[in-house]
Amino acid sequence: GESVGLHLPTLSVQEGDNSIINCAYSNSASDYFIWYKQESGKGPQFIIDIRSNMDKRQGQRVTVLLNKTVKHLSLQIAATQPGDSAVYFCAENSGTGNQFYFGTGTSLTVIP
Amino acid sequence: DAMVIQNPRYQVTQFGKPVTLSCSQTLNHNVMYWYQQKSSQAPKLLFHYYDKDFNNEADTPDNFQSRRPNTSFCFLDIRSPGLGDAAMYLCATSRSGQGFHGYTFGSGTRLTVV
Repeated sequence: GESVGLHLPTLSVQEGDNSIINCAYSNSASDYFIWYKQESGKGPQFIIDIRSNMDKRQGQRVTVLLNKTVKHLSLQIAATQPGDSAVYFCAENSGTGNQFYFGTGTSLTVIP
Repeated sequence: DAMVIQNPRYQVTQFGKPVTLSCSQTLNHNVMYWYQQKSSQAPKLLFHYYDKDFNNEADTPDNFQSRRPNTSFCFLDIRSPGLGDAAMYLCATSRSGQGFHGYTFGSGTRLTVV
């Protein structure tokens, strides 16, 4: 399944399928990006990060892709599990300070 | 375990009555942030402290203030809460400079204004 982030804030996928969550960021000067996972009633939790000198970074079951030309990030989750159900946010840092600014979240629901 | 702790988890306050939310950390991080998150929205940065230096976001209302008496604690004061201030308030910390890898978030305080 795939979302367009800002326009489709919800994404439903079958357990075991791959998920793709998209994010368009706004600041062309942003040079560090993080994907956060937020479960209901909890604070955001770090998933994976990427700096602007890279276009791809892989973690355990997750991959982040960065396209600076079109200011687009995506988060790919392989073999999605029910525990992956949450809201996912991308956050950007401009490099001139430590502040992160969050994009619109995408709510992922995994169907068993 | 080193962590960011927010108290209380749930806070109910009366319209117009000042309220203070607290955040403490055992990470010895030098930067602390406050975010406001309304239902189904992204966290919105209100302000942050870089060491003792306070940095306000341009669109943060004057109704929101913050104090950081020492490295470990940071407070969010809402001087006259309105119904529109009902939200989850998230505290986060980070260490600046080399080794900056984003934030550690607390679990948040959910504020209800009645």
